[in-house]
Amino acid sequence: EAGVAQSPRYKIIEKRQSVAFWCNPISGHATLYWYQQILGQGPKLLIQFQNNGVVDDSQLPKDRFSAERLKGVDSTLKIQPAKLEDSAVYLCASSPIRGGPGNEQFFGPGTRLTVL
Amino acid sequence: AQSVTQLDSHVSVSEGTPVLLRCNYSSSYSPSLFWYVQHPNKGLQLLLKYTSAATLVKGINGFEAEFKKSETSFHLTKPSAHMSDAAEYFCVVSLGAGGFKTIFGAGTRLFVKA
Repeated sequence: EAGVAQSPRYKIIEKRQSVAFWCNPISGHATLYWYQQILGQGPKLLIQFQNNGVVDDSQLPKDRFSAERLKGVDSTLKIQPAKLEDSAVYLCASSPIRGGPGNEQFFGPGTRLTVL
Repeated sequence: AQSVTQLDSHVSVSEGTPVLLRCNYSSSYSPSLFWYVQHPNKGLQLLLKYTSAATLVKGINGFEAEFKKSETSFHLTKPSAHMSDAAEYFCVVSLGAGGFKTIFGAGTRLFVKA
């Protein structure tokens, strides 16, 4: 079974530029998550999708971050414009059926973003 | 408010000795609790999970954790550390009542000395 795929693996941009990350979850997984992991910290949930609907985006900085999950499969996370403090690893995860308590999340390798 | 606290940022043990990584949580609802491991340059992997069944949970690679509601704790243990256990460990709480908000602890870095 193929795992969660993310691209690119690395991205370096200058502040105020835009960037987009792509995630392809495990086939058949209804729930998709985006996390931000700043160096030395645990991942922070940015947004959770159930199929193509948003379940939770309470910690997404909506003035600069946006995410979509078209057709309930692939997802993109965009930052526009980027700030220095956005430097982090962006992790995508998916879980089967309903993303409720007790469901294991399967993580991708992450995209490491450096904002100069 | 929901939260999870990992009480040690770093733990160092000798190979063959027991491992204890401590985690406390706060939740208004009955939580699901997880431990994930992150090896350098590798993705996060589930070690074990508690979802209101048995309070002593066994996971992969000899790890186990005990859910203690009275102490709001979910400490991770292993009887004998191996060099390959050196990694970052995250305690995670996932909440019920429709929210399903996932909260990660700050992580505990485990060092294993030969």
